[in-house]
Amino acid sequence: EIVLTQSPGTLSLSPGERATLSCRASQSVSSSYLAWYQQKPGQAPRLLIYGASSRATGIPDRFSGSGSGTDFTLTISRLEPEDFAVYYCQQYGSSSAFGQGTKVEIK
Amino acid sequence: QLQLQESGPGLVKPSETLSLTCTVSGGSISSSSYYWGWIRQPPGKGLEWIGSIYYSGSTYYNPSLKSRVTISVDTSKNQFSLKLSSVTAADTAVYYCARHLARNGGASDYWGQGTLVTVSS
Repeated sequence: EIVLTQSPGTLSLSPGERATLSCRASQSVSSSYLAWYQQKPGQAPRLLIYGASSRATGIPDRFSGSGSGTDFTLTISRLEPEDFAVYYCQQYGSSSAFGQGTKVEIK
Repeated sequence: QLQLQESGPGLVKPSETLSLTCTVSGGSISSSSYYWGWIRQPPGKGLEWIGSIYYSGSTYYNPSLKSRVTISVDTSKNQFSLKLSSVTAADTAVYYCARHLARNGGASDYWGQGTLVTVSS
């Protein structure tokens, strides 16, 4: 079973700043089957990135994903007010597992 | 625009079976490009993939839940369903149905609004 560990647990930033979120897997994730989601309170998650680096339909280009093997990163180049939320990574190469989430909060 | 809607009881007694249905509108569940499945989220906690199904009926389950889960599809109604047996309080969660781009519940690009199921006597 692959375990995903996200860091940091909470990221306190101001609008306009750059956010860098990490997702580390306990084993290599095959074929970069790694996705990122954004979730706001009371809402379903929203797919941002799949295949480690492909943006989902309608996702602004300030969101980018990178990485391979066991280390993956979600970068938000310039935070907009609507970007403050919880972010989850998910691997789906071997069964499926989610990380525990990173909360991006307003500083 | 594709829409998914969960339906089913919001309260289930311990040891009984949780049953939910997801109705898909605005698109066909028989598309060869997608999988359909269930993901849950206990209150205040993270996400857990339950399982997925292809329109042909092939199923993929989370190993930790496999012994209690059955997912089925009804292409004539454009619906798929979840049954989770022998529930306990630990199964209390918001249950989401979703469309997946990959079979292991991966890259879920459309979600239902979610339905809270509480396990309590």
